[in-house]
Amino acid sequence: GAGVSQSPRYKVAKRGQDVALRCDPISGHVSLFWYQQALGQGPEFLTYFQNEAQLDKSGLPSDRFFAERPEGSVSTLKIQRTQQEDSAVYLCASSRTGENYGYTFGSGTRLTVV
Amino acid sequence: RKEVEQDPGPFNVPEGATVAFNCTYSNSASQSFFWYRQDCRKEPKLLMSVYSSGNEDGRFTAQLNRASQYISLLIRDSKLSDSATYLCVVTAERGGADGLTFGKGTHLIIQP
Repeated sequence: GAGVSQSPRYKVAKRGQDVALRCDPISGHVSLFWYQQALGQGPEFLTYFQNEAQLDKSGLPSDRFFAERPEGSVSTLKIQRTQQEDSAVYLCASSRTGENYGYTFGSGTRLTVV
Repeated sequence: RKEVEQDPGPFNVPEGATVAFNCTYSNSASQSFFWYRQDCRKEPKLLMSVYSSGNEDGRFTAQLNRASQYISLLIRDSKLSDSATYLCVVTAERGGADGLTFGKGTHLIIQP
C-alpha cells in the first residue's frame, strides 16, 4: 500500500480483555517498530523487527505484551489481560532499510481500557 | 533522567513572531537528530534532520550542539498552521537498527 496501515483505528476494551492490534507496513519495508504514546507524552519504543526476526523487545512493559511478524510483513501487537494503564495510542513505523530518516508512521490505534 | 528532555510548553506566540525551543539529550553516543511534528490525534511526521553545521528549510532552522548535547528549532514568521507539537528525536541503537527516541514534545500555539 501507499502508507503504513493500522487497524483498528480505535479500540475500547474492558479491563482483563485481550486485544490484538494490526500493522500493515509499506510493501518491501524491512524494518518495523512499535511505539506506545500515552496522553501528553512522546512515543516510547516497544519493539523492533527486521523482517520476521524480533531483534529488540526491550521496551515491552510486561509479559502481557507480545508482538509478532511471522512472514516479515504484517505485524500484530497483542496485549493480554489489559489494564487501565495500557490505554494509549499504539504507533507502528516501517522503513525500507532501518535508516532513521526513512521511517513512515501509521495513524495509530487508540486503545482505551475501561 | 529522561533520554530526551523538552519544555512541554505550551508556547503561545502571535502570528508572524519568531519562536525557538530547545531540547537536551543524555546519550552522547546518539548519531542522528531530528525534529518531528505531530498534529492533534495524528501520527508524528518528520519535519527536518538536524546537523552539526546547522540547517535551514524555509522558515525553519535547526541546530545541533554536540558538546552541550542540545538541539534547537527556530521558526520565523510563524503561521497559524505551525500550531502543533514539536518532538525532539535522537537515535538509539535498537537490535542493530537506528531506533528513534522521542522527547515529550513542545506544544506550540500560534495565535491570530
